[in-house]
Amino acid sequence: DTAVSQTPKYLVTQMGNDKSIKCEQNLGHDTMYWYKQDSKKFLKIMFSYNNKELIINETVPNRFSPKSPDKAHLNLHINSLELGDSAVYFCASSSGPGGYEQYFGPGTRLTVT
Amino acid sequence: AQSVTQPDIHITVSEGASLELRCNYSYGATPYLFWYVQSPGQGLQLLLKYFSGDTLVQGIKGFEAEFKRSQSSFNLRKPSVHWSDAAEYFCAVGPYSGGGADGLTFGKGTHLIIQP
Repeated sequence: DTAVSQTPKYLVTQMGNDKSIKCEQNLGHDTMYWYKQDSKKFLKIMFSYNNKELIINETVPNRFSPKSPDKAHLNLHINSLELGDSAVYFCASSSGPGGYEQYFGPGTRLTVT
Repeated sequence: AQSVTQPDIHITVSEGASLELRCNYSYGATPYLFWYVQSPGQGLQLLLKYFSGDTLVQGIKGFEAEFKRSQSSFNLRKPSVHWSDAAEYFCAVGPYSGGGADGLTFGKGTHLIIQP
């Protein structure tokens, strides 16, 4: 059973488009996250979401918006895609905020042309 | 702000040899420390974690790490590497606090190459 899953695995799109990446966890966790991994493999937190409280990394453009239909899902919507958005996006979950270990999905490789 | 430094971008080790990957952190309180491994094209898998207590922690796949507060280090070790250990290794500290997202802060990773 996959603990944290993401769809799609690959996403190729043109500049200016709007796209979504879906994330689901079946671990019963309360907190979910989105990370961005750039071409140099550097991972950076974008959002965390816990009990309907969204914490946003201040460097994330407002074109990015997470949406959580329920505790098991945290989707990432991206508007007006730019070349610089090309990266691998990872969803993660943990049983609580703070120091709990996080479990990562397989990643979505987004390529903007 | 907290930060993590992995001084070695690449490390090459012969199969069967011992391994040590370095990690230094900067954090204002007792840190939560993690090591993750990322195989090519894969997500991140947790190897081990340190929250408190015994400073030598055991993880999966034969890895261990030692927390040294005086050196602000959390180095990862393995006594004998296997070709399947070739991957990217990330040290991370959490939680992030002080106005940002409540996630992990990662180092830039160490790419491990195994020589036959």
